[in-house]
Amino acid sequence: EIVLTQSPGTLSLSPGERATLSCRASQSVSSTYVAWYQQKPGQAPRLLIHGSSSRATGIPDRFSGTGSGTDFTLTISRLEPEDFAVYYCQHYGSSPPMFTFGPGTKVDVK
Amino acid sequence: QVPPVQSGAEVEKPGSSVKVSCKASGGTFSSHAINWVRQAPGQGLEWIGRIIPRLNTVSYAQNFQGRVTISADKSTSTAFMELSFLRSEDTAIYYCAGLRGVYIGVVIDYYYMDVWGNGTTVTVSS
Repeated sequence: EIVLTQSPGTLSLSPGERATLSCRASQSVSSTYVAWYQQKPGQAPRLLIHGSSSRATGIPDRFSGTGSGTDFTLTISRLEPEDFAVYYCQHYGSSPPMFTFGPGTKVDVK
Repeated sequence: QVPPVQSGAEVEKPGSSVKVSCKASGGTFSSHAINWVRQAPGQGLEWIGRIIPRLNTVSYAQNFQGRVTISADKSTSTAFMELSFLRSEDTAIYYCAGLRGVYIGVVIDYYYMDVWGNGTTVTVSS
């Protein structure tokens, strides 16, 4: 079973700064099956990135995803006020079908 | 995409069952699978199971095997998640989410959630 670890647990930054969030898998995984979600308080999660690097529809280009093997990164190039939220990475394993989430990284205002 | 609409909040006693519904648009139901994910208060996301309505194929997370039943009614584009033998630790927000079908070679698979329901709060308390 794949275990996802996200770091840091909390990232304290100011608007305009760059945010770099890490997601590490316990073993090598296909980058096709890694996604990132944003969740704000009281809201459902929202898809940001799928296939490790493909932005979902309507997601601003300040969000980007990279990675392969066991290490994946979500970067927010310049934080906007609406970007302060919790971010989760997710992996899908196909045999048998299984979805795993990381514990999340909270990006809050410094 | 139109988000699915979920049923309202539920309060249940330990040992009982709860059934949550998720009504999607007809287009979503035919092109997507449906995942169920829950979030306990102050905690992260936990996968419960997935149904592919056009195939009526269901997969469950190991933690919920034997206690959860996921089903779908294609005539009303509605998915259901029933959790039995409830305990206090099942208190959570339960989300349904649509998984877009993507061709992997010649096979379609469903592995990222591009549309989420509004969530249903289930409280288990005596």
